Amino acid sequence: ELKVEQNPLFLSMQEGKNYTIYCNYSTTSDRLYWYRQDPGKSLESLFVLLSNGAVKQEGRLMASLDTKARLSTLHITAAVHDLSATYFCAVDRDDKIIFGKGTRLHILP
Amino acid sequence: DAGITQSPRYKITETGRQVTLMCHQTWSHSYMFWYRQDLGHGLRLIYYSAAADITDKGEVPDGYVVSRSKTENFPLTLESATRSQTSVYFCASSPVSFTDTQYFGPGTRLTVL
Repeated sequence: ELKVEQNPLFLSMQEGKNYTIYCNYSTTSDRLYWYRQDPGKSLESLFVLLSNGAVKQEGRLMASLDTKARLSTLHITAAVHDLSATYFCAVDRDDKIIFGKGTRLHILP
Repeated sequence: DAGITQSPRYKITETGRQVTLMCHQTWSHSYMFWYRQDLGHGLRLIYYSAAADITDKGEVPDGYVVSRSKTENFPLTLESATRSQTSVYFCASSPVSFTDTQYFGPGTRLTVL
């Protein structure tokens, strides 16, 4: 059974700091996705990671994938308040997409 | 406007009633999906569709029915609503394959009393 675990589930941090969100999954997977959700809003795609060692960056967010460790990370550099949101990773295998429970990120000004 | 829309945005109903949530996309995407989002569970896939007249079960299909007679529409019906179906429902679409990036609608908040 494919399981996806994110940690931490809640994170409060100061502006300007760096931090990493972790996404572990239980079985081999074809792709890993990162989404962002603002409070009361829908989900927005951030990254799709397709292969081992893949790294993608946009602005202050950088995502990486280690398929051997079954681990993806979402790194936040010099956080700003606008990045406050809930971040989800999701993994697909055999026509099933399983989402993690999300990491609620609160960045203090 | 182009994109993916859901209606209604908010719905309150009673246990045992039938409810249909609508989803419409203007991109001609092949795949469409229904998710529910509950606190503590993240998003869970209910049903998906690869094309008109092709649907398949996701992780939590019980109590739900879908149809897809046209590419652009993918309604979700709760045949006899239960309190456990109180949730936020998101529709999504992806262009060609199951594993493409998915584009999400704004969501429908459903409360079953």
